[in-house]
Amino acid sequence: NIVMTQSPKSMSISVGDRVTMNCKASQNVGNNIAWYQQKPGQSPKLLIYYASNRYTGVPDRFTGGGYGTDFTLTINSVQAEDAAFYYCQRIYNSPWTFGGGTKLELK
Amino acid sequence: QVQLKESGPGLVQPSQTLSLTCTVSGFSLTSNSVHWVRQPPGKGLEWVGAIWSGGSTDYNSALKSRLSISRDTSKSQVFLKMNSLQTEDTAIYFCTRGTTTWGQGVMVTVSS
Repeated sequence: NIVMTQSPKSMSISVGDRVTMNCKASQNVGNNIAWYQQKPGQSPKLLIYYASNRYTGVPDRFTGGGYGTDFTLTINSVQAEDAAFYYCQRIYNSPWTFGGGTKLELK
Repeated sequence: QVQLKESGPGLVQPSQTLSLTCTVSGFSLTSNSVHWVRQPPGKGLEWVGAIWSGGSTDYNSALKSRLSISRDTSKSQVFLKMNSLQTEDTAIYFCTRGTTTWGQGVMVTVSS
């Protein structure tokens, strides 16, 4: 079964900084990756699908990239409301495995 | 407006069967997949399984022997049944329309 590994597990960033988090697949998944944001007590929200497509209403400071086994989610000029957990997920082919998540904290 | 809402018992006894319902609106089950995802308290997301637009299903291999997902298209409902529940099955259970829309989730506690 495919394994999705996210790094780092947590990061502490200042407002206005640029941050990049990583997602590595144990086998080639093409561009079949989604990224979600989850805040405490809320359901996850889709940010990016098919690796680099921003979902409707997602601010353009969120950018996804990568192909094959290595993927990134970059947030340009982090805002206070971006403090959350971020998860990648392999999509399109089963199993739709999630990564373990990255916690983004604001200093 | 696309909506999904999970319902079911909040407390299940160990070794018993969990039955959850996802009631959807704003889209057709015959044109969209519905997935179940769970999240143990304080932990990450785990994909449980899915029912596809054609009615076929896929399951997390770790849960497959205990799991069944079905639907009633006339009622716009998707069902999850998981047997032989253990304390490690305690989690918030979400249903989702593909990747895009998630229900609010339902907390299920496995305890005697």
